[in-house]
Amino acid sequence: NAGVTQTPKFRVLKTGQSMTLLCAQDMNHEYMYWYRQDPGMGLRLIHYSVGEGTTAKGEVPDGYNVSRLKKQNFLLGLESAAPSQTSVYFCASTSGTLIGGELFFGEGSRLTVL
Amino acid sequence: AQTVTQSQPEMSVQEAETVTLSCTYDTSESDYYLFWYKQPPSRQMILVIRQEAYKQQNATENRFSVNFQKAAKSFSLKISDSQLGDAAMYFCAYRSSSNFGNEKLTFGTGTRLTIIP
Repeated sequence: NAGVTQTPKFRVLKTGQSMTLLCAQDMNHEYMYWYRQDPGMGLRLIHYSVGEGTTAKGEVPDGYNVSRLKKQNFLLGLESAAPSQTSVYFCASTSGTLIGGELFFGEGSRLTVL
Repeated sequence: AQTVTQSQPEMSVQEAETVTLSCTYDTSESDYYLFWYKQPPSRQMILVIRQEAYKQQNATENRFSVNFQKAAKSFSLKISDSQLGDAAMYFCAYRSSSNFGNEKLTFGTGTRLTIIP
């Protein structure tokens, strides 16, 4: 019962460093999302993908890039990390065939940028 | 753009009692979906309940029920017979049906629920 798996779970970066968060889902879902969660601000959508090879910007895309080369994987990259990117990042996926369908979330990745 | 507002940052309730969490939203659309998600200390996001806007009947899932007031754009969550395991952050979320196939969810800022033994 893997569902949605995020790696790594925790990471500490220095300002200016780069890193990639990996999201993998084994449910054959078409749609995948990256959210960030900050205290008092709920979850905000960074980027999303409606299928393999496609990506689109969400509410707060600046400073992030994404790729969906394989249907089961959705990568979130930070090219030059900034302290403002300190957050908990959640990946989610869903099948596009279900109207009002549930989003399945990963366990989150806590990123600290010093 | 749609917005979701949760005006109660924190709530507490005695074990076995009933508590209601508030959520309001702003939209010009007539058809959409509303959700309540629960986030316990483990951080895992768990779907609690879902409501389709075109359905007049309020959704229920065991001890969880909603009061959906479409005209007032209100979507409150009632938890009956509160249990210690209900302690969590609760998020209200909105999804537009016009984005069918997209499934973007817009979240509120959350309400932290504490259960008092």
